[in-house]
Amino acid sequence: GENVEQHPSTLSVQEGDSAVIKCTYSDSASNYFPWYKQELGKRPQLIIDIRSNVGEKKDQRIAVTLNKTAKHFSLHITETQPEDSAVYFCAASMGRGSTLGRLYFGRGTQLTVWP
Amino acid sequence: DVKVTQSSRYLVKRTGEKVFLECVQDMDHENMFWYRQDPGLGLRLIYFSYDVKMKEKGDIPEGYSVSREKKERFSLILESASTNQTSMYLCASIGLQGSDEQFFGPGTRLTVL
Repeated sequence: GENVEQHPSTLSVQEGDSAVIKCTYSDSASNYFPWYKQELGKRPQLIIDIRSNVGEKKDQRIAVTLNKTAKHFSLHITETQPEDSAVYFCAASMGRGSTLGRLYFGRGTQLTVWP
Repeated sequence: DVKVTQSSRYLVKRTGEKVFLECVQDMDHENMFWYRQDPGLGLRLIYFSYDVKMKEKGDIPEGYSVSREKKERFSLILESASTNQTSMYLCASIGLQGSDEQFFGPGTRLTVL
């Protein structure tokens, strides 16, 4: 099955700096790559996603890049703020066909933004 | 707005007890999932279901079973709870049409003593 690896496991940045979290996946059949943010005590929530036919996607201060050849994708957060502090999970999916929308998750990155 | 709810936020049980965790979604989603979340291990899939009475094993099904008698409800069952099943349990759902987003419930923090 699919294997998703995520690095780093913890990341500390100063407010206003950028943060980058990287993930790799193993199965070339994966075609959908979401990122979830989980604040302390809350449920994971989707913040951005990308499909395999797109190389980059941006939404205000967050962006995701995908390199299908190398099988890796990254989350970029610019101008970080203390409220960005959370655990971030990357995931990969082969779609809602044969695998029913199943997500394969990375182990998570604890991002801490210091004021 | 999609809503996924779970029956309890916190639950304390004793070793050997039978435990039921309930999940309900109100968006008519076909597919539902049960995950276990442990620090440093991310979200690991226990079981999922694509239709009433249908189920598929995930990556860590041992010690768990599931039930889906109605489309909106997916239950996780610990037949005989053990201390190593102390964890956060998250339910999620996704529809066959529309958004690819998997929507999560608030989680149940289960402690087995």
